[in-house]
Amino acid sequence: DTGVSQNPRHKITKRGQNVTFRCDPISEHNRLYWYRQTLGQGPEFLTYFQNEAQLEKSRLLSDRFSAERPKGSFSTLEIQRTEQGDSAMYLCASSSGTGIQYFGAGTRLSVL
Amino acid sequence: QQQVKQSPQSLIVQKGGISIINCAYENTAFDYFPWYQQFPGKGPALLIAIRPDVSEKKEGRFTISFNKSAKQFSLHIMDSQPGDSATYFCAASIPRYSGAGSYQLTFGKGTKLSVIP
Repeated sequence: DTGVSQNPRHKITKRGQNVTFRCDPISEHNRLYWYRQTLGQGPEFLTYFQNEAQLEKSRLLSDRFSAERPKGSFSTLEIQRTEQGDSAMYLCASSSGTGIQYFGAGTRLSVL
Repeated sequence: QQQVKQSPQSLIVQKGGISIINCAYENTAFDYFPWYQQFPGKGPALLIAIRPDVSEKKEGRFTISFNKSAKQFSLHIMDSQPGDSATYFCAASIPRYSGAGSYQLTFGKGTKLSVIP
């Protein structure tokens, strides 16, 4: 499968715990994006990487959120001290220079 | 402030009919308008996209109509099939960095389409 891969697919955690999600983009894509999607809503942009550089962050990305993309390959999104309001689907997308974004299946986070 | 407004929220169409979903945008700097299809438990999948230098783009049963002066664009699904039942999102983007092409997407809230036999 050469598409965008996200792991885990589902994560259930207790409030206050830290969680980390991983995204493996399409191999030749140098651009990587994280979005958050809540029930009944469209995805909302969180952050953008070009290669290993994080070039843009949304105001939605609070201090408890951190994303990395070491060596410009896979990316991780960490949420510290999770809150119930963090429950959502976290989507990763990648693109080449065309700007067309291809999405993974997402990680569904449930904070109890 | 919602920058891309999508309607209707839900749509029921008979098999073989035409499904029409509308979007309106506010930011005239948007220059790329894709439509995504999402099935339950899956990520959005690109369906068709248009840039503002053309008024219409057709791919198979799917057509985007674009009205730059009205800042509106729509998706038409011809001969709708039960397999088209999904949530459809319009989106828009601006290249934020010259040469780097961020293309951050701003999505509408989605339209849940149900095609009944």
